[in-house]
Amino acid sequence: RKEVEQDPGPFNVPEGATVAFNCTYSNSASQSFFWYRQDCRKEPKLLMSVYSSGNEDGRFTAQLNRASQYISLLIRDSKLSDSATYLCVVNAGGSNYKLTFGKGTLLTVNP
Amino acid sequence: DTGVSQDPRHKITKRGQNVTFRCDPISEHNRLYWYRQTLGQGPEFLTYFQNEAQLEKSRLLSDRFSAERPKGSFSTLEIQRTEQGDSAMYLCASSPLAGAYEQYFGPGTRLTVT
Repeated sequence: RKEVEQDPGPFNVPEGATVAFNCTYSNSASQSFFWYRQDCRKEPKLLMSVYSSGNEDGRFTAQLNRASQYISLLIRDSKLSDSATYLCVVNAGGSNYKLTFGKGTLLTVNP
Repeated sequence: DTGVSQDPRHKITKRGQNVTFRCDPISEHNRLYWYRQTLGQGPEFLTYFQNEAQLEKSRLLSDRFSAERPKGSFSTLEIQRTEQGDSAMYLCASSPLAGAYEQYFGPGTRLTVT
């Protein structure tokens, strides 16, 4: 089983749609969780951290279910500028600082 | 610009040549990381430094790869005797010593081995 698995995608949605990305992780001891976005041929950029209580940043909502080892990202009212690859990222925590990335899910928002 | 910087941005080399990449982290960040990303994959961890100490190396980092951070500021990643399979984007990231585990990435060095 891969350490971090994401929906393979790609997702093609019209502007204004709501889109959800799902991710599972294998290490039950993982402590920190993130969503990064990556534009084509650019570096990954931190979109948001994911907390157990769930968190929202404008049109973006992230959820974490530790019991199911499941992370989600919801984008509401999608914009053309949301088109990118979304990477689910996990960190084991403690003295382990490396990030483990999923393969990413490509989103294309169409006019 | 106070973000992570990397140099060069692109490198084309012939198989068997040595290449060296440089990363300058965000100035107040003590931790520095190297990742490699190939097409269609997420970044994969290679190694990380806390100040000048190299604290972890992935098994992906074969003996042809070496990384240094001699003064705890910038870092270099050298690949000796490059192979076509080394073609990838090499990403550097940094994070502060204390607090959360978010990392901030530089623009990457795209290596093509012909």
